[in-house]
Amino acid sequence: QKEVEQNSGPLSVPEGAIASLNCTYSDRVSQSFFWYRQYSGKSPELIMSIYSNGDKEDGRFTAQLNKASQYVSLLIRDSQPSDSATYLCAVKTLGAQKLVFGQGTRLTINP
Amino acid sequence: DVKVTQSSRYLVKRTGEKVFLECVQDMDHENMFWYRQDPGLGLRLIYFSYDVKMKEKGDIPEGYSVSREKKERFSLILESASTNQTSMYLCASSFGGDGYTFGSGTRLTVV
Repeated sequence: QKEVEQNSGPLSVPEGAIASLNCTYSDRVSQSFFWYRQYSGKSPELIMSIYSNGDKEDGRFTAQLNKASQYVSLLIRDSQPSDSATYLCAVKTLGAQKLVFGQGTRLTINP
Repeated sequence: DVKVTQSSRYLVKRTGEKVFLECVQDMDHENMFWYRQDPGLGLRLIYFSYDVKMKEKGDIPEGYSVSREKKERFSLILESASTNQTSMYLCASSFGGDGYTFGSGTRLTVV
């Protein structure tokens, strides 16, 4: 079993709709969770971090964490074509310096 | 904002050459990382460092070495470049439990 799993997609969403990206992780002592956005040919950019159960909102983005289910998600409201990118989920365990990344989900927003 | 600077955006080298990839960060981060990213394989950790002169092997260290003589600089060395090392190389830095900040990447082609 992979440590961090994401559906590779592609996930296709119409413009203006809500895009929902999901990530599961296997290590129960994971404590920090991050979402990165990566445009084609560019490097990953940190867009959200979440550390405790529940929802965290930042503009059109909401990260949701459920540690009991070992599940973290990213919702993008009012999706725009500029949101088309690969989204990487990353997890950090207690005491570790490095992140463990999922393979990423490719998201396409259709005008 | 933290800035992570990679010395070259694109690099073409010949098989057997010794290649140096340089990475500099400007926010006194203790942790620095080198990844390579290939289509379908995701981000793979080559080496990381959590302090000056300290280094730890990642998942794919073979054929690579690193140097961290100063806190702000982390160099990746390809001892004898081979065509299977053609890839996008990404440097990142972090502080404590925070997420990474990535550099813009170096696309290396070995011919």
